[in-house]
Amino acid sequence: GESVGLHLPTLSVQEGDNSIINCAYSNSASDYFIWYKQESGKGPQFIIDIRSNMDKRQGQRVTVLLNKTVKHLSLQIAATQPGDSAVYFCAEKSGAQKLVFGQGTRLTINP
Amino acid sequence: DAGITQSPRHKVTETGTPVTLRCHQTENHRYMYWYRQDPGHGLRLIHYSYGVKDTDKGEVSDGYSVSRSKTEDFLLTLESATSSQTSVYFCAISQEAMAFFGQGTRLTVV
Repeated sequence: GESVGLHLPTLSVQEGDNSIINCAYSNSASDYFIWYKQESGKGPQFIIDIRSNMDKRQGQRVTVLLNKTVKHLSLQIAATQPGDSAVYFCAEKSGAQKLVFGQGTRLTINP
Repeated sequence: DAGITQSPRHKVTETGTPVTLRCHQTENHRYMYWYRQDPGHGLRLIHYSYGVKDTDKGEVSDGYSVSRSKTEDFLLTLESATSSQTSVYFCAISQEAMAFFGQGTRLTVV
């Protein structure tokens, strides 16, 4: 069945350092892989997505890498800021338009 | 928040009573979703819709039903609420990969 999982439930980084959040998935038929950020008391917010036929995509301070060989997805955040503190979810979307989420990683920024 | 409104935002109800949560969008997006979020479980898909009157089950659909009679509205009904349905419920809309979420509804079943 479909499952999207995260390697680590928590991640602490120093302000200014780069953050890497990892995710494993199992559904090879997914069309898109997406990262969401959720701040306390709010709904998830779209960060960046990557199509299944791509390996890398860059946004503003964020990069998503997709390794289909090992079914692994990562989110890299450059120069982490206090405002990046949140829970980050990976998700996958298939042709049936089901959007399935992983468990989430809590990112904490240390001053 | 991308034209999504969830109502109510908070509700306390008694076990065995019916409850309906509403999701309203102004974006004319085709796809709408209902998720529940619980500690340790992330976001779990309850039901989703891919058009008016077209709905399908997600991974935790037992005890829930949905209806979509108009593009803009997606209703989630708990026919007979149980304590295990205490959760935060999120509605989402999407066209392609990007999905936009509502602010959530905190439901407590006592």
